[in-house]
Amino acid sequence: QVQLQESGPGLVRPSETLSLTCAVSGYSISNGYSWGWIRQPPGKGLEWIGSISHSGSTYYNPSLRSRVTISIDTSKNQFSLRLSSVTAADTAVYFCARHMTRNWVAPWGQGTLVTVSS
Amino acid sequence: SYVLTQPPSVSVAPGQTARITCGGNNIGSKSVHWYQQKPGQAPVLVVYDDSDRPSGIPERFSGSNSGNTATLTISRVEAGDEADYYCQVWDSSSDRGVFGTGTKVTVL
Repeated sequence: QVQLQESGPGLVRPSETLSLTCAVSGYSISNGYSWGWIRQPPGKGLEWIGSISHSGSTYYNPSLRSRVTISIDTSKNQFSLRLSSVTAADTAVYFCARHMTRNWVAPWGQGTLVTVSS
Repeated sequence: SYVLTQPPSVSVAPGQTARITCGGNNIGSKSVHWYQQKPGQAPVLVVYDDSDRPSGIPERFSGSNSGNTATLTISRVEAGDEADYYCQVWDSSSDRGVFGTGTKVTVL
């Protein structure tokens, strides 16, 4: 059974870079699928951030493209998110998930709250 | 950019049928997926590719998609179905995932 777990700082200062890692267990990410990030501001809806295939091809939300980098480390069976120049508007619960390439998303990690504040 | 519009809320009595719509331009030409999110939890996929159910999802959850509207139908609604529901598609014109605005289902 595939399981995903996000990790990273819960507090990031404005203008700095948010960095999160998603550890995958129960499945080797080099075997296939894509792996993605989705966020949810407090009390609001879901926003798709981007995804990366097992071979390293990336897709990003155009509204975040200039600030987002998603990378994959098959040796550690994990993938990562970097979001630069953060502001309070980037405060959200960040979910990592398995992503059928260019299609549905499942399963999801439990999510981690990242607050942008000085 | 591609926009998916859902009603903010739907209320339904136990045992009745809830229908949640997801509107988008020519959405019938895309594959639509639906997620259930309960408070404080991660979303769970309940319908994919318009009308297929992942293993473990009750047959009470079904989907359809045609024209400019996709619909998630929950039959014989139970108290445990109370949650937020989101539709999602892949927008091939911008190569990105898109989520709907979300619908809160309240069981009366």
